[in-house]
Amino acid sequence: DTAVSQTPKYLVTQMGNDKSIKCEQNLGHDTMYWYKQDSKKFLKIMFSYNNKELIINETVPNRFSPKSPDKAHLNLHINSLELGDSAVYFCASSPGQSNSPLHFGNGTRLTVT
Amino acid sequence: AQSVTQPDIHITVSEGASLELRCNYSYGATPYLFWYVQSPGQGLQLLLKYFSGDTLVQGIKGFEAEFKRSQSSFNLRKPSVHWSDAAEYFCAVGSYNNNDMRFGAGTRLTVKP
Repeated sequence: DTAVSQTPKYLVTQMGNDKSIKCEQNLGHDTMYWYKQDSKKFLKIMFSYNNKELIINETVPNRFSPKSPDKAHLNLHINSLELGDSAVYFCASSPGQSNSPLHFGNGTRLTVT
Repeated sequence: AQSVTQPDIHITVSEGASLELRCNYSYGATPYLFWYVQSPGQGLQLLLKYFSGDTLVQGIKGFEAEFKRSQSSFNLRKPSVHWSDAAEYFCAVGSYNNNDMRFGAGTRLTVKP
């Protein structure tokens, strides 16, 4: 069983469209994250949720809205997609303790044309 | 917020040679440090972590890292590199409750036959 699963794996869409990426973890973790990895492989945290509560909201455009219906799910909705949104988006989870590593999904490659 | 610097963007080593990847962190308190590896098209996999105790930590796949507080460093080493080690390597530093894990820019490792 995949511990952190994201769908879809690939997403190609046109500018101006709205799209969602789903993430689910079956590890029983309390904390979930979204990271954006750009073309230079730089990983930047976007959001983190702890037990469905938003903890971290980095400087991310309002077009990005995370939603956590329960602590096993953290979805990312993006409105009015722009060319610069093209990247790989990673979902991750952790127990939330300081010495606990993050468990990553395999990423969603978003291409905006 | 905490931060991580990986000075080397790309390193090439011959198979069988030793490897050292550099990582410097900035954090006001005791750091929680991690090394991850990312193979092409995959998510990140934990190699090892440090949060207290012995400053030399062992990880998977024959990797080790040494924490040096005086140098704010957490360098990753492997005595003999295998072709399958070619990947992107990320150093990361976690905060107290790990809701905010920050990554370095990554070092791409190429292994020559």
